[in-house]
Amino acid sequence: DIVMTQSPDSLAVSLGERATINCKSSQSVLYSSNYKNYLAWYQQKPGQPPKLLIYWASTRESGVPDRFSGSGSGTDFTLTISSLQAEDVAVYYCHQYYSTPRTFGQGTKLEIK
Amino acid sequence: QITLKESGPTLVKPTQTLTLTCTFSGFSLSTSGVGVGWIRQPPGKALEWLALFYWNDDRRYSPSLKSRLTITKDTSKDQVVLTMTNMDPVDTATYYCAHRLESKSFDYWGQGTLVTVSS
Repeated sequence: DIVMTQSPDSLAVSLGERATINCKSSQSVLYSSNYKNYLAWYQQKPGQPPKLLIYWASTRESGVPDRFSGSGSGTDFTLTISSLQAEDVAVYYCHQYYSTPRTFGQGTKLEIK
Repeated sequence: QITLKESGPTLVKPTQTLTLTCTFSGFSLSTSGVGVGWIRQPPGKALEWLALFYWNDDRRYSPSLKSRLTITKDTSKDQVVLTMTNMDPVDTATYYCAHRLESKSFDYWGQGTLVTVSS
């Protein structure tokens, strides 16, 4: 199984400041045939299902604000929120869909400082 | 517009079998590349992938739960059904179904259904 490890577990950032969440996979999730990283980021607010933010490590899903960006390749990935808004308070998960079993990180709780 | 909705019992007893139904609309499970997956989340904990049903009738299961899980589809009703045998209190969780694409993984999710396992 590919183990996904996020850091930090929780994060408090001031409004308007940058938030950075890291995700490390125990094996590469880069598919050599198409050079795509099979890594997604989700946002989950209390009482709601996860919402897809980023797929292929850096492609923003339609309708997601451009303050959200993803980067990284192979085994190390980052989700960045360039200017934190109040509505961004949530738990964020990374997820690999390179292989079965599909796996998720443990989650990072983002709060306002 | 893609929608999915989970249905099933909210309370099951230990050792019983859980049957959950995902009713979807806005896509066809016969379209190449499409799948429907099940993911669960114990209260206050992380997401755990359970199973996937693919457009070509291929099925994949979490190895740790494979012996207890069965995923099937009912094409006539646009439904995917997940059964989990021998339920235990540790299986208490919100169970989600989700639409899957190769490029995006799970891009549309149902609202989830909370299943409590208790005698």
